[in-house]
Amino acid sequence: KNEVEQSPQNLTAQEGEFITINCSYSVGISALHWLQQHPGGGIVSLFMLSSGKKKHGRLIATINIQEKHSSLHITASHPRDSAVYICAAETSGSRLTFGEGTQLTVNP
Amino acid sequence: KAGVTQTPRYLIKTRGQQVTLSCSPISGHRSVSWYQQTPGQGLQFLFEYFSETQRNKGNFPGRFSGRQFSNSRSEMNVSTLELGDSALYLCASSLVGTGVNEQYFGPGTRLTVT
Repeated sequence: KNEVEQSPQNLTAQEGEFITINCSYSVGISALHWLQQHPGGGIVSLFMLSSGKKKHGRLIATINIQEKHSSLHITASHPRDSAVYICAAETSGSRLTFGEGTQLTVNP
Repeated sequence: KAGVTQTPRYLIKTRGQQVTLSCSPISGHRSVSWYQQTPGQGLQFLFEYFSETQRNKGNFPGRFSGRQFSNSRSEMNVSTLELGDSALYLCASSLVGTGVNEQYFGPGTRLTVT
């Protein structure tokens, strides 16, 4: 079993739909990261959280430390949200352990 | 403020050769982490440097090494290249790391070993 597991692996949505990507981890963490990777490889950090909830525009990230679970929500999805979304558990010394990623495709 | 830069962006090497990749962090950032991304294994942590010291290391053979200079720039070296080393190598910088600061990723170096 991987230390960080994401679901679903692939997700196709229609523009405007509400999207949820889930992440479960089995290790102790200092923080949980949500990353976005576009074709070509560039990675952008979306959120870093250690408790509660964070919101940035149409993106919301939540974490439940007791259940070792985090979710990334996208409200009013748009085709430009199409990308791979990766959760990563940060353990000691900035070491990130990554989930396999969720390929999101939003159709117009 | 300039972002994280990596050089070169693309590299083709032959099995058995060695390669050195460079990463310049955002000004003021003292932590630099390196990651390998392959289609089969996904993203994997290589090592992290903070104030010129390797603070953490992933599960990679000794052929993979790195260092950090006093200006926080970092290099990673892979010796005796194997076909399986073909990957996207990403570095990320943060102010001090360890669950405190976001990591900012560079564009990556795409290494092809033939």
